[in-house]
Amino acid sequence: DILVTQSPSTLSASVGDRVTITCRTSQSVRSWLAWYQQKPGQAPKLLIYRASDLATGVPSRFSGRGSGTEFTLIISSLQPDDFATYYCQPFHGDSPTFGQGTRVEL
Amino acid sequence: LQLQESGPGLVKPSETLSLTCAVSGDSASRNTYRWAWIRQPPGKGLEWIGDISYSGSASYTPSLKSRLTISVDTSTDQFSLRLSSVTAADTAIYYCVRFYGSVFDFWGQGTMVTISS
Repeated sequence: DILVTQSPSTLSASVGDRVTITCRTSQSVRSWLAWYQQKPGQAPKLLIYRASDLATGVPSRFSGRGSGTEFTLIISSLQPDDFATYYCQPFHGDSPTFGQGTRVEL
Repeated sequence: LQLQESGPGLVKPSETLSLTCAVSGDSASRNTYRWAWIRQPPGKGLEWIGDISYSGSASYTPSLKSRLTISVDTSTDQFSLRLSSVTAADTAIYYCVRFYGSVFDFWGQGTMVTISS
């Protein structure tokens, strides 16, 4: 099974900050990695797919980079609406898995 | 597209958890996608537990495979989950989700299921 390590688990930031979240996988997933945002009491929402493609309606301050085993989610200028938990999701074989999550807090 | 989960919010230990997801809207996409169940224990992360195509081909996470059945009823546009011999560890929010290629691109609102006597 593929192992996923997401860091940090918690990130303290302020409005306007540049935020970077990292996701590492134990095996190459090429570009098959997605990022999701989850706010309290809500279902997760797809942000980025295929490592760097923005999902429909996602603001351009979000971006994704990486391939192989190391990926990053970048929020270029953190907005009040962005305080949430973020999950990476690599796809390898038949069993999708998720990172442990990164909580972005004030 | 709308995905609506339904089922009991409370299940006794050792019994079977049964949930249904009603798919409405965007009828043209039904055969294109797979339809998944993902769960999230309180305060914890996300776990894919399985998915199914409209033709009935199902995939399960290995840790639950012996207790889990996912089925689809194309006549009613519903897919279902049955998890047997539940324990407190199965307490979670259960989401039904559209699965396209490698991503989960549309999520239901989720339904909380508590395992307790």
